[in-house]
Amino acid sequence: NAGVTQTPKFRILKIGQSMTLQCTQDMNHNYMYWYRQDPGMGLKLIYYSVGAGITDKGEVPNGYNVSRSTTEDFPLRLELAAPSQTSVYFCASSYSRGDTEAFFGQGTRLTVV
Amino acid sequence: SQELEQSPQSLIVQEGKNLTINCTSSKTLYGLYWYKQKYGEGLIFLMMLQKGGEEKSHEKITAKLDEKKQQSSLHITASQPSHAGIYLCGADTGTYKYIFGTGTRLKVLA
Repeated sequence: NAGVTQTPKFRILKIGQSMTLQCTQDMNHNYMYWYRQDPGMGLKLIYYSVGAGITDKGEVPNGYNVSRSTTEDFPLRLELAAPSQTSVYFCASSYSRGDTEAFFGQGTRLTVV
Repeated sequence: SQELEQSPQSLIVQEGKNLTINCTSSKTLYGLYWYKQKYGEGLIFLMMLQKGGEEKSHEKITAKLDEKKQQSSLHITASQPSHAGIYLCGADTGTYKYIFGTGTRLKVLA
């Protein structure tokens, strides 16, 4: 099993540009999450999904959008990138809500200049 | 406001010393997880606690969840340089969210 795969691993964006961070999992997990981790900090939940077609905002959703058309994929869209979005982004998935561990991708390091 | 508070934020210990990291919530938790993150890498699952009063151990790491399921501690015995990293507690606070604490950066001096 590949687990949770994120692409790209690194990206530099100019202010105002847009991009999509890809996340796919092959464990048939219903729950998927996007987090950002700023330097020296914990993880902040951006968006989450409890199944295909269902998404909801987390703690810091402004400036981001998500979609969940399939169980496997949960892309994160950045519109009009800003320097404040410079961070490491992690995608995760879990079989169900808080009674199972979450599996994490390796992260995408994004710099907005 | 942060739903999960971790303390301390950072910790430097001499190799061989014991240490404890705490994770506190104002809400009853449905599940409490401990993860370790090596600098610049993804998260590694350590253990999960679900029941009030539960305690689990793996090698030299022990985690406990209090009876009210609002506070957890992670204890490392006889720390080694391989224990260095960022320790994160994660939890389901009952709204389908899987949120994380602020993290504790651990450095172990050889």
